[in-house]
Amino acid sequence: AQSVSQHNHHVILSEAASLELGCNYSYGGTVNLFWYVQYPGQHLQLLLKYFSGDPLVKGIKGFEAEFIKSKFSFNLRKPSVQWSDTAEYFCAVSASGGSYIPTFGRGTSLIVHP
Amino acid sequence: DTAVSQTPKYLVTQMGNDKSIKCEQNLGHDTMYWYKQDSKKFLKIMFSYNNKELIINETVPNRFSPKSPDKAHLNLHINSLELGDSAVYFCASSQRSGGAADTQYFGPGTRLTVL
Repeated sequence: AQSVSQHNHHVILSEAASLELGCNYSYGGTVNLFWYVQYPGQHLQLLLKYFSGDPLVKGIKGFEAEFIKSKFSFNLRKPSVQWSDTAEYFCAVSASGGSYIPTFGRGTSLIVHP
Repeated sequence: DTAVSQTPKYLVTQMGNDKSIKCEQNLGHDTMYWYKQDSKKFLKIMFSYNNKELIINETVPNRFSPKSPDKAHLNLHINSLELGDSAVYFCASSQRSGGAADTQYFGPGTRLTVL
């Protein structure tokens, strides 16, 4: 079974700072990778996903993530955060060829100060 | 139109009671899920239901039982509620199980508080 680690549980930044949230997974086979965002009081929604092709994936709201297979990583980045990016961020992994049920990381709480 | 809807949004009840949470999706998806999010925001899958096939997470107590009258609905029934059941429960759906990179579409969540 796959597992997901998000190393940063709480991140506090000022507006315009750059962001990188770490995500590592453990699974020996082919994976599908996701980042979801949960704004305060709202449900989770997809930021971006990777399943094949270019390992650098662009998502909504200026977010991107890079799949580095050798490091089993899928880190989320944004060059300049805004106050409205304050949210919980979840990395998720599903195993291709398996049940495709995703496993979620524990989430990273991002607070952006104006 | 809301893609994935849940009712109720808030549920406060006493220990030992039985309660149900309803979920409906209008996306035409074949697969639906129930997740539990605890107070530390940890999101854990409970069940997946694909075209009448139920995939049970073995760590879920059998007090929890999903019921799917049709592929657009997946309800969650909980018997003999315990304090530890307090959490936010999210329903989700995806286009198909077994497909590449299926995106999960989440409902707004049901905040369950057991007193």
